[in-house]
Amino acid sequence: ETGVTQTPRHLVMGMTNKKSLKCEQHLGHNAMYWYKQSAKKPLELMFVYSLEERVENNSVPSRFSPECPNSSHLFLHLHTLQPEDSALYLCASSRAGESDTQYFGPGTRLTVL
Amino acid sequence: GESVGLHLPTLSVQEGDNSIINCAYSNSASDYFIWYKQESGKGPQFIIDIRSNMDKRQGQRVTVLLNKTVKHLSLQIAATQPGDSAVYFCAEMGSNDYKLSFGAGTTVTVRA
Repeated sequence: ETGVTQTPRHLVMGMTNKKSLKCEQHLGHNAMYWYKQSAKKPLELMFVYSLEERVENNSVPSRFSPECPNSSHLFLHLHTLQPEDSALYLCASSRAGESDTQYFGPGTRLTVL
Repeated sequence: GESVGLHLPTLSVQEGDNSIINCAYSNSASDYFIWYKQESGKGPQFIIDIRSNMDKRQGQRVTVLLNKTVKHLSLQIAATQPGDSAVYFCAEMGSNDYKLSFGAGTTVTVRA
């Protein structure tokens, strides 16, 4: 798991808070992803960045705002979340431009009160 | 012995037995398939992959089989160990694509 790191590992926030999730990959990849994993549901792709450009926004509410300042870092900015947004948020990375293995970080367990 | 069947959400295996986890996929254009293992409190971990020009691939104690005719993928784990207890996901992707579609996952529990 040291290839892709995520911080914080756990986060509890109120609905009016603003917080950010951070992801960093040390694999030399140039595509990064945010996924949401809720109980009893398959992983849901949220955002994709390829070569630092957003190429996918999978109908995600605007209260989630991604940022990719460079190919090694990815952020997910959170504001005015809802309790149903509580989930495990996973970051992944891969090589861009080809169907290739995605490597995941350990995730951030988010609880919205 | 082996545990095999249609896709099941849970699988209980005796330590030392072989395990087979099944996955059906729907997109005939899928070109690349990956098995992931997710332990409690961790992110999905890559186990093994296979491309559509192959029907079998072996790793260390694991084998992936691909049957494109019936759109079926399986993961075989030899001599299952307690450390193999986890949720296993299959994922599929089209050629020159980046979107991974994940299955619902199978929870494997290894009995001592």
